[in-house]
Amino acid sequence: GDSVTQMEGPVTLSEEAFLTINCTYTATGYPSLFWYVQYPGEGLQLLLKATKADDKGSNKGFEATYRKETTSFHLEKGSVQVSDSAVYFCALRGGSQGNLIFGKGTKLSVKP
Amino acid sequence: GAGVSQSPRYKVAKRGQDVALRCDPISGHVSLFWYQQALGQGPEFLTYFQNEAQLDKSGLPSDRFFAERPEGSVSTLKIQRTQQEDSAVYLCASTPGGGASEYFGPGTRLLVL
Repeated sequence: GDSVTQMEGPVTLSEEAFLTINCTYTATGYPSLFWYVQYPGEGLQLLLKATKADDKGSNKGFEATYRKETTSFHLEKGSVQVSDSAVYFCALRGGSQGNLIFGKGTKLSVKP
Repeated sequence: GAGVSQSPRYKVAKRGQDVALRCDPISGHVSLFWYQQALGQGPEFLTYFQNEAQLDKSGLPSDRFFAERPEGSVSTLKIQRTQQEDSAVYLCASTPGGGASEYFGPGTRLLVL
């Protein structure tokens, strides 16, 4: 079945460092891909998404590009802030009305 | 505007007790999903409604789990004879449909002792 694999955490970075969180997927067909973020004490929020190959999703300085050839959707940010400390989840949806399938999450801690 | 709300936010149950978790989706949202998130894991799909119809319940882990959405708005997830392995955060999400992204509620944290 469909699945998502993302890099294990926790990831600890200094403020203004470059961030990459790897995400690869296995799916039949052409899934939509998502990154969700869960800040401490808050619910899941959509960070960005891409619905077809070569699409780039971006939001709040974060970017991810849908790479069909490598089945990847890596999350990047050029300069992280302390406020980016959170758990990040990569997810896919196989069909237009299907449920999301999530990775296990990567905890990011950014130190001042 | 109001987002997805869930109640209670926290629930402690004794093993064997029945519990009911409520989800109030965003008004007018057609689709509603329930997910279970164990500690340190990503959310896992439980069940999906489109209006009042339960279209997919393949993720429900056992017949002790039951969900309903009788009028196509509020949904209740019921767990009978709770077990310790049921301890998790239960998330509800709603969407207007048509491939739009989900809005998640804050979750109900269930602890079974």
